[in-house]
Amino acid sequence: SSELTQDPAVSVALGQTVRITCQGDSLRNSYASWYQQKPGQAPVLVIYGKNNRPSGIPDRFSGSRSGNTATLTITGAQAEDEADYFCNSRDSSGILYVFGSGTKVTVL
Amino acid sequence: QVQLQESGPGLVKPSETLSLTCTVSGGSVSSGSYYWGWIRQPPGRGLEWIGYVFHSGSANYNPSLKSRVTISVDASKNQFSLKLSSVTAADTAVYYCARDYGDYLSRYFDLWGRGTLVTVSS
Repeated sequence: SSELTQDPAVSVALGQTVRITCQGDSLRNSYASWYQQKPGQAPVLVIYGKNNRPSGIPDRFSGSRSGNTATLTITGAQAEDEADYFCNSRDSSGILYVFGSGTKVTVL
Repeated sequence: QVQLQESGPGLVKPSETLSLTCTVSGGSVSSGSYYWGWIRQPPGRGLEWIGYVFHSGSANYNPSLKSRVTISVDASKNQFSLKLSSVTAADTAVYYCARDYGDYLSRYFDLWGRGTLVTVSS
């Protein structure tokens, strides 16, 4: 399969931990990248590779992979983390790309 | 600081060709380290990868759009472009250009343009 599956929505209490998952067969052979998108803005890369953060991304964001599932973890969620999160990876061909359907994170 | 900026018509008629350009500033589209890609997002929906082009001009496309898409690069203008033919209302979306970096294990879009809304309507 070349699809990446994400839960549509999750909520987290302020300061608590939330895990956002992305499932797909292609994740067995390549790492996911994760993007945060706030309303009216372009997506921003937050995690790539095994567990790498671009400059300027807080260390409360981390990534992991197990089997066909990639996970983005926000440890100590803040109000500004409320956004849509999309995963992306190469598909089964190894040449093309696919995005997950996105997860809306609400911080309570 | 490298920046990407999309440009092109915001309104396209059904059955016509959508044409957008992404201008790279502060860097070079000829860099062999990157692919240069297009991604779109219909209103209220998720992201859809359209395709990418390498500095050599070789390109790969989303199979669902492949028959209608062409992505090309113009090193002399430091730009890359998207053409999508025979558009319908379903092609209405915000179109983003993005820089694609990484290796065989991990590729990612580390830089994005601000996006441009293209509406398909008569």
